[in-house]
Amino acid sequence: DIQMTQSPSSLSASVGDRITITCRASQGISNFLAWYQQKPRKVPKLLIYAASTLQSGVPSRFSGSGSETDFTLTISSLQPEDVATYYCQKYNSAPWTFGQGTKVEIK
Amino acid sequence: EVQLLESGGGLVQPGGSLRLSCAASGFTFSSYAVSWVRQAPGKGLEWVATISTSGTSTYYADSVKGRFTISRDNSKNTLYLQMNSLRAVDTAVYYCAKVFRSGYYCPFDYWGQGAPVTVSS
Repeated sequence: DIQMTQSPSSLSASVGDRITITCRASQGISNFLAWYQQKPRKVPKLLIYAASTLQSGVPSRFSGSGSETDFTLTISSLQPEDVATYYCQKYNSAPWTFGQGTKVEIK
Repeated sequence: EVQLLESGGGLVQPGGSLRLSCAASGFTFSSYAVSWVRQAPGKGLEWVATISTSGTSTYYADSVKGRFTISRDNSKNTLYLQMNSLRAVDTAVYYCAKVFRSGYYCPFDYWGQGAPVTVSS
């Protein structure tokens, strides 16, 4: 099975900072990659699919890029409401594996 | 408005069984594959199982294969997860989730609020 590895596992940044989270697949998955945001005690929310397509209603400060094995999620200007854990997920085939998550906090 | 409402969670002893349900509304349930995803306390998301629109194709994580069964009743707009031979490591919040588009290989755009399952003696 393809493994999904995120880095870092946590980060702390200031409001207004640009932050980047990386997700690496152990084999190529084309662009079948999604990013989810899970705020504390909330249900996961789809942010980005097809590696770089923003889900409807998601602020434009979020962006995604990459293909095959290397992907990134970028928040261009971190806001207090972005405090959450972010997960990548592959969906090109079963199993629909998630990365282990990246916890984002405000410094 | 799309809604997914899980029920059936609770406390069960190791080796026991539990059946989760997920009632769907606000979309044509029979047109979308649906899945179960779980999250152990303080841990990340783990995909558990997915079922096709008709129910003829099912997929399972290795960790639950042979113990859990996913099924659906399109006449009742309901998804199920039958969990047998439960272990302490199965303790988690179980979410049902709908795929974004028709077909299996899509991300999940709507999630239920989750059903907590605790396996303990």
